[in-house]
Amino acid sequence: QSALTQPASVSGSPGQSITISCTGTSNDVGNFKLVSWYQHHPDKAPKLIIYEDSQRPSGVSHRFSGSKSANTASLTISGLQAEDEAHYYCCSYAGGLTLIFGGGTKLTVL
Amino acid sequence: EVQLVESGGDSVQPGRSLRLSCAASGFSFDDYAMHWVRQAPGKGLEWVSSITWNGLNIGYAASVKGRFTISRDNVKSSLFLQMNSLRTEDTALYYCVKDRLPTVPDAFDFWGQGTMVTVSS
Repeated sequence: QSALTQPASVSGSPGQSITISCTGTSNDVGNFKLVSWYQHHPDKAPKLIIYEDSQRPSGVSHRFSGSKSANTASLTISGLQAEDEAHYYCCSYAGGLTLIFGGGTKLTVL
Repeated sequence: EVQLVESGGDSVQPGRSLRLSCAASGFSFDDYAMHWVRQAPGKGLEWVSSITWNGLNIGYAASVKGRFTISRDNVKSSLFLQMNSLRTEDTALYYCVKDRLPTVPDAFDFWGQGTMVTVSS
């Protein structure tokens, strides 16, 4: 099973908004309301920022939002801040107790 | 406070075995599904295996199926990964991860710091 497709990199200036896409298939992203997103800073454990396509865990900034259309999920970060610079990964349930990650997107805050 | 502490990572030769452990604390371990996720050097995250709260339902990535075995001990609040027939491509930092829910994998809401496995001749 191939990884979900994410852009390798995105960038934006402080205060701007960016969107990271995550494209799968009708067997994973499009079939379940179970896409999650993770923020990963170097040498730290990944952090859950969105679950069930668009739900935000307690304590996660409202600047992070998730959405989905058909087989593509999206993560939007508004009001970019320097500390948002990190790698971002999407993940989807794919049935049969299997999951699949995206290849990851490096966000650079200019 | 939720804590997940992995151990057992080592440097081994191809074809050898290794057993990873994860000691959980700060939450009711037997109420949640658990997972192993890995990250090879310079690469992205890769899901490895999942186990439901009661250990009755288990899933594996195609890359490890038949070689790795996940298990759990709810009495000792511990998660394990038995890794056999190791390959160089198994070299990675292995994370123990807690799910939000007990059954169908929902999302990984707490991660350990990881334990490094290096497979090299």
